[in-house]
Amino acid sequence: GENVEQHPSTLSVQEGDSAVIKCTYSDSASNYFPWYKQELGKRPQLIIDIRSNVGEKKDQRIAVTLNKTAKHFSLHITETQPEDSAVYFCAASIGSISGGYNKLIFGAGTRLAVHP
Amino acid sequence: GAVVSQHPSWVICKSGTSVKIECRSLDFQATTMFWYRQFPKQSLMLMATSNEGSKATYEQGVEKDKFLINHASLTLSTLTVTSAHPEDSSFYICSATTGQGLPGANVLTFGAGSRLTVL
Repeated sequence: GENVEQHPSTLSVQEGDSAVIKCTYSDSASNYFPWYKQELGKRPQLIIDIRSNVGEKKDQRIAVTLNKTAKHFSLHITETQPEDSAVYFCAASIGSISGGYNKLIFGAGTRLAVHP
Repeated sequence: GAVVSQHPSWVICKSGTSVKIECRSLDFQATTMFWYRQFPKQSLMLMATSNEGSKATYEQGVEKDKFLINHASLTLSTLTVTSAHPEDSSFYICSATTGQGLPGANVLTFGAGSRLTVL
């Protein structure tokens, strides 16, 4: 079945450094790729997303790149801060439901720790 | 922005009892809601897609008689864990879409989650 692989599972960086998380997906029909941040005990929050007609998107310190040919996409966080510490999940849309809404399949998550 | 409310946030029940979890979209209508299950330190596993006015669509391996889903209105979906057992203990999260965006895209707003502990 369709799946999303995410690496690394844990990532530790010093404050101010950059962090990169990579995901690959299997469904060539996937066309929507969101990234979620989940702090301990809290709900996942959408931080950035990208659609298949775009190769890169940036929002302040966060950027996402998409390579449709290789079926992988990445999250880049620059100038990391301690408050960036959380679990980050990538996801890819799969299948098709009436009304154009797609299911999302999530990666396994990356636990990011930013040390002061 | 879109807000999804989920209740209860945590529940403890005895084995064999049933537990109902509610998911409400507070400021928008959600024709489609999704139910996820998350084990500690693991990812979100899609359980089912809840469609207003019709039967839910379950993912492979998810028992529909075990996890009853009802989407009675455009703002409410419920998940009932029937005859709960300790292995059902988990974090259950709902999400809803406003339906906005390009066709084929989903912008999900998540509920706060419900932590179920079955004794």
